[in-house]
Amino acid sequence: EVQLVESGGGLVKPGGSLRLSCAASGFTFSNAWMSWVRQAPGKGLEWVGRIKSKTDGGTTDYAAPVKGRFTISRDDSKNTLYLQMNSLKTEDTAVYYCTTVGATFFDYWGQGTLVTVSS
Amino acid sequence: SYVLTQPPSVSVAPGKTARITCGGNNIGSKSVHWYQQKPGQAPVLVIYYDSDRPSGIPERFSGSNSGNTATLTISRVEAGDEADYYCQVWDSSSEVVFGGGTKLTVL
Repeated sequence: EVQLVESGGGLVKPGGSLRLSCAASGFTFSNAWMSWVRQAPGKGLEWVGRIKSKTDGGTTDYAAPVKGRFTISRDDSKNTLYLQMNSLKTEDTAVYYCTTVGATFFDYWGQGTLVTVSS
Repeated sequence: SYVLTQPPSVSVAPGKTARITCGGNNIGSKSVHWYQQKPGQAPVLVIYYDSDRPSGIPERFSGSNSGNTATLTISRVEAGDEADYYCQVWDSSSEVVFGGGTKLTVL
């Protein structure tokens, strides 16, 4: 059974940093493309970014609102996905979901972790 | 950037058919995926590549895509289908786009 468990959310001040983790199990993590999707309170879904598997180059893509501030990385030895968030803004407040990428869709989702950016 | 437009809400009586649309410029040339999200839960993929169903998704859920509109159809609607539904495409510019979401209310 595929399991994705996010952690690391919390309250952070504007301009601060936070690192989210996503522990994966139930599938071959090293072969998987992974993504982060967020959802602001009461709002819709917003893609954050994606990382390819190392065998496919391990490259990353980001949505325009987070490009240059957020970094996605992976540790295949730990079956863990990361999201490093710097220069956080109030508009980054959201539940952050870790997902597997099935070509062009998101087939498995974690339960999410809440990030609140507030002074 | 590419825009997907969904109606904010759709209401349907139990046992009837619900149709949720997703509009986009020439969306018929793209692959459209649909997610169901119940309150307090993570989204669940219900349709991928326009009309394919993941294992475990009831046959009552179907999808179509042509021209400027993709449609998620839920037949014989049940109370448990009440949720928010989102369409999604992966644009050629390597950007992922979600529709704004549609709240399905079962009367």
